[in-house]
Amino acid sequence: GENVEQHPSTLSVQEGDSAVIKCTYSDSASNYFPWYKQELGKRPQLIIDIRSNVGEKKDQRIAVTLNKTAKHFSLHITETQPEDSAVYFCAATSDYKLSFGAGTTVTVRA
Amino acid sequence: SAVISQKPSRDICQRGTSLTIQCQVDSQVTMMFWYRQQPGQSLTLIATANQGSEATYESGFVIDKFPISRPNLTFSTLTVSNMSPEDSSIYLCSGGTREGTEAFFGQGTRLTVV
Repeated sequence: GENVEQHPSTLSVQEGDSAVIKCTYSDSASNYFPWYKQELGKRPQLIIDIRSNVGEKKDQRIAVTLNKTAKHFSLHITETQPEDSAVYFCAATSDYKLSFGAGTTVTVRA
Repeated sequence: SAVISQKPSRDICQRGTSLTIQCQVDSQVTMMFWYRQQPGQSLTLIATANQGSEATYESGFVIDKFPISRPNLTFSTLTVSNMSPEDSSIYLCSGGTREGTEAFFGQGTRLTVV
């Protein structure tokens, strides 16, 4: 099955700086890569996704890049704000099932 | 986005008993899944709930412990059977599509077994 690795496990950034989270996957057949944000005590919320036929996608301060050859994808958050503090999970779809990375705890320091 | 409702939101149960969690999704969803999330950890897929047939379980999860039903397209239940403290966790249902597009989550059931 699919194996997704995510780094770093924790990330502390100054408000206004950028945050980057990186993930790698093992199954070359994976074709859909969503990112979820989970605040404490809440459900995971889909924040952005990318499909295998696209190299980059941007939504306001959030962007995702995908390198299919290297089998890695990244989440970029620019101009970070305190409300960006949360746990972020990357995932990859293989055989219609999502496999999740271990998560990154992002803390934005005011 | 799809609307997914899950209940109960939390429960405290005695060891040896069973708890059934319900999940209702709106009609945009064709696939339904059940996940477990232990405190501070990632999401682990328990099984895919198949409409009108037996669920497809992931390695490490068995039907006797986690029986799942999906009598129609938009409703599924997960039962945690013969519970022990190790079953204390958050259980989440999610809905998605076969094409692997957006998957949305219910609010989760926080289970504590004492």
